[in-house]
Amino acid sequence: ETGVTQTPRHLVMGMTNKKSLKCEQHLGHNAMYWYKQSAKKPLELMFVYNFKEQTENNSVPSRFSPECPNSSHLFLHLHTLQPEDSALYLCASSPDRVQETQYFGPGTRLLVL
Amino acid sequence: GQQVMQIPQYQHVQEGEDFTTYCNSSTTLSNIQWYKQRPGGHPVFLIQLVKSGEVKKQKRLTFQFGEAKKNSSLHITATQTTDVGTYFCAEYPNSGNTPLVFGKGTRLSVIA
Repeated sequence: ETGVTQTPRHLVMGMTNKKSLKCEQHLGHNAMYWYKQSAKKPLELMFVYNFKEQTENNSVPSRFSPECPNSSHLFLHLHTLQPEDSALYLCASSPDRVQETQYFGPGTRLLVL
Repeated sequence: GQQVMQIPQYQHVQEGEDFTTYCNSSTTLSNIQWYKQRPGGHPVFLIQLVKSGEVKKQKRLTFQFGEAKKNSSLHITATQTTDVGTYFCAEYPNSGNTPLVFGKGTRLSVIA
C-alpha cells in the first residue's frame, strides 16, 4: 500500500520547535486531508484541500499550518505545539472532495514534550 | 454539527463468536462507508453502501444499510484473530457538500 506516503513516521519535538509533516499521494487524486487521531477523539478532521484550495478548516489552532503546493503534496507545519497535540496525524486523499472513498497514509506518530 | 453514533465502543469476543457494530445517524445519509484500522495501522476502506436496504457481503463480513438510510451495521461471522482492529463507519450527510464524517469506531478484540 504505497498510494499515500507520509514522512516522518515518528517525530518527537519540544514545545518551542518548528517541524513539518509531509504527505504525498501517487493516486492522481484531487482532494487531500489531514486528520488527528488520539485516544480522546478518533479521526478528527483538521483540514481539507480540493484542487490545492483549502475548503475546510475545522477550528484548528493556528499552531497548525497546512500547505498544499500541488494536488499531490500536502504539508502540515507545526510550531509551538502543546503536549496535548501528541497524536497520530493521518493524511488521506480521495478522487474528489465529496462522495468518494478516502485512502489513508500510514500516519506520523507525534510526541510533544 | 453532524455526528454519527457508533456502538459499542469496545467488544471482546472469543474466537469463533460473531460480532456486530452499529452506526446511527440523526439525518438521512446519501451513503455510508466502512473502514478497518488494524492496531498500529491506518484506516483502510472496506465498502460503501448507497441504496436503501442494501446488503453486501465480503466473505465473513455482512454490511447492511437501513431502509430509512439512517443506520448501518457490520456483522462478522465466526471471528478470527485477523479480525482484530477498530471498525469505523463514515457518512456523507444527505446535504451532499460536506466531507466524510467518521464515527468513533468499535474496537474489536478476539481472544484465541
